[in-house]
Amino acid sequence: ELKVEQNPLFLSMQEGKNYTIYCNYSTTSDRLYWYRQDPGKSLESLFVLLSNGAVKQEGRLMASLDTKARLSTLHITAAVHDLSATYFCAVDYSGAGSYQLTFGKGTKLSVIP
Amino acid sequence: DSGVTQTPKHLITATGQRVTLRCSPRSGDLSVYWYQQSLDQGLQFLIQYYNGEERAKGNILERFSAQQFPDLHSELNLSSLELGDSALYFCASSVHTGGGYGYTFGSGTRLTVV
Repeated sequence: ELKVEQNPLFLSMQEGKNYTIYCNYSTTSDRLYWYRQDPGKSLESLFVLLSNGAVKQEGRLMASLDTKARLSTLHITAAVHDLSATYFCAVDYSGAGSYQLTFGKGTKLSVIP
Repeated sequence: DSGVTQTPKHLITATGQRVTLRCSPRSGDLSVYWYQQSLDQGLQFLIQYYNGEERAKGNILERFSAQQFPDLHSELNLSSLELGDSALYFCASSVHTGGGYGYTFGSGTRLTVV
């Protein structure tokens, strides 16, 4: 059974600081996704990482994938309040012949002025 | 608007009842996935349909069932509802099976069982 672990689960950081969220997974996969969720809202796709060494950046967020280490990171640069949300990583894995997403528990980020 | 439409947005019902959640995938997407999000279990995969056929099952209870119709919309049926079934139910779609081109999530249906 595929396990996806995120840490930290809760993150409180000051505006302007940098931090990294880690996502480890237990089975070989080269497809990893990051989503953002605001309270009570849907999942907004942030990054789709489809190969080893993939790095993508959008604004203050940068995501990377190391399939050999089974590790993805989401780096936040110079955090601002608008980034406060819950961030999920999800691994796309084909178990019984069809792909499906397995999610981490999420990292609840609070950016404090 | 993500292109994936879920109805209704909110549903309040009593224990023991049956409800149907509906999902229309993004235009051109053949796969539909159902996920349940609850505080204690997190986001869990329930079931996937591809072009009308069931392709994968996750942690879906026997009281739950789903189908995908010829026009590719999907319905998730929840019966003999219990308090613990209260959750946010998401539908997602993709072009084929898997997210090689990404997954698109709908806005969800919030189910409250009282």
